[in-house]
Amino acid sequence: AQSVTQLDSQVPVFEEAPVELRCNYSSSVSVYLFWYVQYPNQGLQLLLKYLSGSTLVKGINGFEAEFNKSQTSFHLRKPSVHISDTAEYFCAVSFSGGYNKLIFGAGTRLAVHP
Amino acid sequence: DAMVIQNPRYQVTQFGKPVTLSCSQTLNHNVMYWYQQKSSQAPKLLFHYYDKDFNNEADTPDNFQSRRPNTSFCFLDIRSPGLGDAAMYLCATSRAGTGEVEKDNEQFFGPGTRLTVL
Repeated sequence: AQSVTQLDSQVPVFEEAPVELRCNYSSSVSVYLFWYVQYPNQGLQLLLKYLSGSTLVKGINGFEAEFNKSQTSFHLRKPSVHISDTAEYFCAVSFSGGYNKLIFGAGTRLAVHP
Repeated sequence: DAMVIQNPRYQVTQFGKPVTLSCSQTLNHNVMYWYQQKSSQAPKLLFHYYDKDFNNEADTPDNFQSRRPNTSFCFLDIRSPGLGDAAMYLCATSRAGTGEVEKDNEQFFGPGTRLTVL
């Protein structure tokens, strides 16, 4: 069965520091990978996605992620975070060959402190 | 701007009193989804419509139903809400079947409806 694991439930970080949010997946078929951000009482906003091609993907708000097939990972990074990046971040996968059903990880709460 | 709209943003209902949540979209997407997200948890897919075809997830309780009268609208009906159904309900849309990977593989989410059951 396919699954997504976000290794950290919470990540505290100081403003302007770099951050990495970790995501690993398990699948026997090719995958598409996504990172979504959710601010309090809001829906999900797509940060970036990997469908094919270059394994380094750049998204909105200065975020990027790298697809590593051998390690089945898709970690999210930002070189310098802002207070406004405080939010919940969800990694998700969908699977090629079918319709685009998303399977989400449990989420990582990023807390940026001044 | 093309978007996914959910009404109301906040809904309060009483235990056992039927409630309907609404979702509309201006993206002309052929797939619409309903997710349930409980506090501090990931969104959980309840069901989706691919055009007019309804697809229920295996573990979605019978208490949850959905209607899609046309391409633009989709409703979530909770027949007898229990306290455990209090959650954020997210509607999402996507395109499918274009054959173009870039277009077929992104879901667009609405802002959600937070349901409180008293």
